[in-house]
Amino acid sequence: AQSVAQPEDQVNVAEGNPLTVKCTYSVSGNPYLFWYVQYPNRGLQFLLKYITGDNLVKGSYGFEAEFNKSQTSFHLKKPSALVSDSALYFCAVRDSPDSWGKLQFGAGTQVVVTP
Amino acid sequence: DTGVSQNPRHKITKRGQNVTFRCDPISEHNRLYWYRQTLGQGPEFLTYFQNEAQLEKSRLLSDRFSAERPKGSFSTLEIQRTEQGDSAMYLCASSQDRTGPHEQYFGPGTRLTVT
Repeated sequence: AQSVAQPEDQVNVAEGNPLTVKCTYSVSGNPYLFWYVQYPNRGLQFLLKYITGDNLVKGSYGFEAEFNKSQTSFHLKKPSALVSDSALYFCAVRDSPDSWGKLQFGAGTQVVVTP
Repeated sequence: DTGVSQNPRHKITKRGQNVTFRCDPISEHNRLYWYRQTLGQGPEFLTYFQNEAQLEKSRLLSDRFSAERPKGSFSTLEIQRTEQGDSAMYLCASSQDRTGPHEQYFGPGTRLTVT
C-alpha cells in the first residue's frame, strides 16, 4: 500500500527566507510524486511532479522539489518565500506503473509566511 | 475557462435527503476522479473513471454513494439518505493518462453540509 507523511502541521517562515516543506513516502513500486497547493475556499493547484529523470524538479511559482530515493523523501523548496505563498501544501504519491492513478495525499502542511 | 468545473459549489441538506453533484472535466481528459476532503485532512480517493467505465471504488464509498460518467464526459456523484458524517468537501479531478502518468487537475469542489 502507498502512503505519504508530512511531518509538520505548520511551517512558519519570514518573507525572503528559504522555505522547505517535508514529505516522505512509502510505495511498493517506483513512485510518482506530486505537490499541490490549496488556497482558502479553492481547489488544489498542481505545483510539480516527479516521474523519472533528474532528482531536482522545478515547478510553478518558483517552487522546486528534490527526490531522494534512499531517504524516500520529496521535499518542496523555495529559495525566497513570499507572503502570497501562505497556503496549505499537500504531497501526494501514486504507485507505478499499473495503478489506476489514484493519488494518496498527505495530511497537509500549513505554510505561514510573515512580512 | 477550460478548467474542471463543479456544481453546485455549496449544498446544505437535511439528514436523510439525497444530493447529487456534477463535475465537468477538462474536455480532452480521459480520466476522472472523485475525492472527499474533511477539515484538516488531505483529500481521500473515492472513485475513478476511465472514459465511461468506473474502474475502482474506495471502501469509503458506501452503498449510499453512486457515481456515473454516462458518456465519458461529465460525471455525477449521488449520495442517498445523507448522514451528518457525509459533510465534507467533494473534489473532482481529471487527467489525461494516454501517454503516461500525468498530473490531476482539480475543480473548486462542492462543500456539503448535512444538518
